[in-house]
Amino acid sequence: SQTIHQWPATLVQPVGSPLSLECTVEGTSNPNLYWYRQAAGRGLQLLFYSVGIGQISSEVPQNLSASRPQDRQFILSSKKLLLSDSGFYLCAWSERVRNTIYFGEGSWLTVV
Amino acid sequence: AQSVAQPEDQVNVAEGNPLTVKCTYSVSGNPYLFWYVQYPNRGLQFLLKYITGDNLVKGSYGFEAEFNKSQTSFHLKKPSALVSDSALYFCAVRTDSNYQLIWGAGTKLIIKP
Repeated sequence: SQTIHQWPATLVQPVGSPLSLECTVEGTSNPNLYWYRQAAGRGLQLLFYSVGIGQISSEVPQNLSASRPQDRQFILSSKKLLLSDSGFYLCAWSERVRNTIYFGEGSWLTVV
Repeated sequence: AQSVAQPEDQVNVAEGNPLTVKCTYSVSGNPYLFWYVQYPNRGLQFLLKYITGDNLVKGSYGFEAEFNKSQTSFHLKKPSALVSDSALYFCAVRTDSNYQLIWGAGTKLIIKP
C-alpha cells in the first residue's frame, strides 16, 4: 500500500531563517505531488504541484519554492522566512489516472 | 469560474441523530466530487468520491453522499452520528478538463453526547 511521510511535524523558526520541509511517498511511482497551506484551521491553498522530476508549477507567487529531486520526494523551501509564512503545511500525492489526493500528516510552521 | 460552497460554517448534531453536511458546486463540464475529513492537527483523510454511476456513494466510517446534478449538490450524510465524527469536513470538485481540485471552505461538525 502507499504511504506518505512528511517532516518535521513541528517547526519554530526565526524571521529571516531558511526553511526546508520534506515529503516522500512510498508504494507508487510517478505520482503527482502537491504542497498545500492551511491558514487559520480552515481554507486550503494550493502552493505547488509537480507531475514529474524537476517539473514544478507554482499556484501562488510568494516567498516559498518547491523542488522535486527524485520521483517520490517533494521539498518545500524558503531562503528567508516571513512572519506571514506561519501556518499548517500539507504535502499530498495522487496517481495520475485516479486523481484522488492523499495527504500527509502536515507540518506546523511558526515563524517568530 | 469554478467554485465549491459549503454554506454552513458549523453544524451541531446530537449523538445518534442523522447528520448532513452540505456542499454545492459550480463547474463547467462533468464534476468529480470528493469529501475529506480533518481531525485536529492532522492531515486530511479521504472519505468518498463521486466520479460516475450511482448517485449515492458510500465511503469510510459509515458516511455516504448523494450526487444531485439538477441541484448541483453533493451533501455528506450519516444515519447516526457519533461523538468521534466531530471534525472539519471539506468538499472538493474537479472536472475532466482540469485536474486541480477546487476546495470548499470547510464545515466544522460538532456531535454532542
